Amino acid sequence: KQEVTQIPAALSVPEGENLVLNCSFTDSAIYNLQWFRQDPGKGLTSLLLIQSSQREQTSGRLNASLDKSSGRSTLYIAASQPGDSATYLCAVRDDYKLSFGAGTTVTVRA
Amino acid sequence: GAVVSQHPSWVICKSGTSVKIECRSLDFQATTMFWYRQFPKQSLMLMATSNEGSKATYEQGVEKDKFLINHASLTLSTLTVTSAHPEDSSFYICSARDRTGRGGYNEQFFGPGTRLTVL
Repeated sequence: KQEVTQIPAALSVPEGENLVLNCSFTDSAIYNLQWFRQDPGKGLTSLLLIQSSQREQTSGRLNASLDKSSGRSTLYIAASQPGDSATYLCAVRDDYKLSFGAGTTVTVRA
Repeated sequence: GAVVSQHPSWVICKSGTSVKIECRSLDFQATTMFWYRQFPKQSLMLMATSNEGSKATYEQGVEKDKFLINHASLTLSTLTVTSAHPEDSSFYICSARDRTGRGGYNEQFFGPGTRLTVL
């Protein structure tokens, strides 16, 4: 059974600092890994999707890396802003379903 | 594009009653929809996978007689929580997979979620 872990569970940084969020998974036989953003009481917004054959994906200030062999992914958010405050979830897709981590709740202080 | 809606966005009901939650793909057809449950500060847990025109596949530990899923069309799936109890209070999120494979990699598109509170 796939287990997805996100560390830390919560993170508070001053505005402008770079964010580093970690995700690890136990079974490396995945199709892809996806990072989501979730605002309080809301659904999920997809941020980046990395295929198992890829090493990283970039979108604006966001960069996600994937090391499938070691079961790790890292989401980097450059020059954080208060609007980046949210919970970030990673999810890995195996044969048919997504397995989610519990998320990292980020607070960016103005 | 790739918009998924849920209705209602929140619902409060009395213990013992049944509640129906709808999940719709607005601009695409979804042969497969997924239902997740999320408790506070916990990850999303897959409850079941529903395929249009066939019975849903439930994850281990999910009571199929309590959580009835119907996927009668390519744009609509419903989750009915029967005889709801306070422990069923949770955030329910659906997702849908575009039958044409939009997203390129069988990506799931998520709805905004439904907050269920059972008194």
